[in-house]
Amino acid sequence: DTEVTQTPKHLVMGMTNKKSLKCEQHMGHRAMYWYKQKAKKPPELMFVYSYEKLSINESVPSRFSPECPNSSLLNLHLHALQPEDSALYLCASSLGQGVSEKLFFGSGTQLSVL
Amino acid sequence: EDQVTQSPEALRLQEGESSSLNCSYTVSGLRGLFWYRQDPGKGPEFLFTLYSAGEEKEKERLKATLTKKESFLHITAPKPEDSATYLCAVQAGGSSNTGKLIFGQGTTLQVKP
Repeated sequence: DTEVTQTPKHLVMGMTNKKSLKCEQHMGHRAMYWYKQKAKKPPELMFVYSYEKLSINESVPSRFSPECPNSSLLNLHLHALQPEDSALYLCASSLGQGVSEKLFFGSGTQLSVL
Repeated sequence: EDQVTQSPEALRLQEGESSSLNCSYTVSGLRGLFWYRQDPGKGPEFLFTLYSAGEEKEKERLKATLTKKESFLHITAPKPEDSATYLCAVQAGGSSNTGKLIFGQGTTLQVKP
C-alpha cells in the first residue's frame, strides 16, 4: 500500500463552521505533513509531524489546528476560516523527517470557505 | 534567500516533439532536488531525486539532470498523457530546513496529439 488517503475530497464551509480534514497512511512512515496549495501556485508547507510530535509550524494562523493521534493518522481542524483560506489542502508522508526524504502526497481536500 | 525558479511557465508540444524544462535554484547547501508531476485536482506524484552535480536519472520518456545551478527535465517523444504540471523542489542545508521543500512555480506542459 503506497497510498496517502485524504477525506473528504471536497468541503464547503461557512466562516463560523468547525470542520476537520483527515489523512491516513499505512506505509509505516513516521513523518507527516500538511501543505496548502492555491490555484496555479506551488504547495506551501504548513505543518510537519515527526514521530507524532509537531516539529515544524510555518507560522500558520491558529484557526488551523493540526493533530496527530497516531503514526498513521493526521488531522487538520478548521475553525472560523476566512474566504482566502479556500485552497487545496494536501497531506503528505515520508519515511522520516530526514535529509532528502521523498514525500508521498494524497489527492488533497478542495476546501471552499463561503 | 533560498529560491527556485522554473521556466517556461507553460509549454505546448506536439506529440513526439522533444523538449526540456528548466529549474534554476539558489540555496545554501543543496541537500536534494526533487521533481514531481501534478495532474489537475490531484496531489504531486514523485518522479526523481537528484543529490549532486552531474547526476542523471531516467524513467520512461523522462530524464532529469543536475548541475550546480540548475536542473533539467528532458522529455523525449512526449505523448498526450505526459500533459501535467511539473514541479521542481529543493531541500536546503541547515537543521531548521530538514523536512522542508522549497517549490518552484511549476511548468504546465500540454502535449497535443
